[in-house]
Amino acid sequence: QLQLQESGPGLVKPSETLSLICTVSGGSISSTNYYWGWVRQSPGKGLEWIGRIYDSGSTYYNPSLKSRVTMSIDTSKNQFSLKLSSMTAADTAVYYCVRHRVSRLLDPWGQGILVTVSS
Amino acid sequence: EIQMTQSPSSLSASVGDRVTITCRASQRITTYVNWYQQKPGKAPELLIYSASDLQSGVPSRFSGSESGTDFTLTISSLQPEDFASYFCQQTYSTPWTFGQGTKVEIK
Repeated sequence: QLQLQESGPGLVKPSETLSLICTVSGGSISSTNYYWGWVRQSPGKGLEWIGRIYDSGSTYYNPSLKSRVTMSIDTSKNQFSLKLSSMTAADTAVYYCVRHRVSRLLDPWGQGILVTVSS
Repeated sequence: EIQMTQSPSSLSASVGDRVTITCRASQRITTYVNWYQQKPGKAPELLIYSASDLQSGVPSRFSGSESGTDFTLTISSLQPEDFASYFCQQTYSTPWTFGQGTKVEIK
């Protein structure tokens, strides 16, 4: 059974860059049927789709975050990652990594990691 | 960006009740709508995709339908394990967007 697990800091200072890694187990990250992405959830903004990356490294980012987001993928480690720069309190949220099917389904999701932005 | 307006934001219901949750899209999105269930402290889980197709393993009391730009999630007979939050999502065009969610509580 495919599982995704987020890892990274739970606390980030304002203006710093958040770095998260998603480790995929129980299956290969290299597949023409899937791509990989991130969704965040905050009390104020609900669920927000951040973007996705293919195993080729091709990306699409939500325009609302595009200037601050970078995603990458390491097929040798079965991992993909998210970097979000210039963090502010508004970026405080639970961040989920999610498998995207080419049929546009998000399944499964990682358990999520709470990231708080505070000095 | 396509807006998904979900209603109600919360509802109270009893075990055995029929529950209906609606999402209205800001423009035509054919059937590119997914529904997710989220329990407290857990990640969302896919319930329904393509507006009306049941994800494998999901009980048949869950169903989805579409009428123009209105999409409906129905729980035919609410069970104790169904008390949770529910979200719709459109994947017709990027950026994909979600409804604000409906919290189903015990009456």
